[in-house]
Amino acid sequence: QVQLQESGPGLVKPSETLSLTCVVSGGTISGQFWSWVRQPPGKGLEWIGQIFYTGSTNCNPYLKSRVTMSVDTSKNQFSLKMTSVTAADTAVYYCVGHVSARSPLGLDPWGQGTLVTVSS
Amino acid sequence: QSALTQPPSASGSPGQSVTISCSGTSSDVGHSNYVSWYQQHPGKAPKLMIYEVSKRPSGVPDRFSGSKSGNTASLTVSGLQAEDEADYYCSSYADINIYVFGTGTKVTVL
Repeated sequence: QVQLQESGPGLVKPSETLSLTCVVSGGTISGQFWSWVRQPPGKGLEWIGQIFYTGSTNCNPYLKSRVTMSVDTSKNQFSLKMTSVTAADTAVYYCVGHVSARSPLGLDPWGQGTLVTVSS
Repeated sequence: QSALTQPPSASGSPGQSVTISCSGTSSDVGHSNYVSWYQQHPGKAPKLMIYEVSKRPSGVPDRFSGSKSGNTASLTVSGLQAEDEADYYCSSYADINIYVFGTGTKVTVL
């Protein structure tokens, strides 16, 4: 079955850019939507945005100005960049697949998550 | 878009049922049948339990059921088992084409 694995720096300095990559294995990235979701320590889930394999994106309006997502079909991976980070961006970041490419039925499967801490 | 409202906690004894509500607006929960529920155990990634209001992915026990009325969705766990103790989050696809999550409910099996 499809598995997702996030990678990237676990520590980012304030005002710098957070960069994460998600590798998709056990299936192709083509033909599907892919999302990023984050969870601050001890808090709830927040949807960051989604990207279609063609590169078309849709973002949480609260984060849109700082978020860029991209996809590399040749490497079967997609990426997230978030600029001007602050301590409030400290969270576990999950990359997530979608149940269906035709309708927003739900989010599955999920990567294991990677903790990103924003601190000097 | 604000987070959907869930009770912070719910509990029940083994074998009993517990129902979690998820309150939104006509722009999200009430807008479509794109409501889903996720189970999250401590230190683990969320797991999809219900999608499209009431459908269960393969492998999810039929003890888990979902429903919706107006702007409020619900998840019921029947025949509570110890392994059901977890955090549960609802989610809805809003009319501005974004996913919105609920505030989360901690379910305790007494």
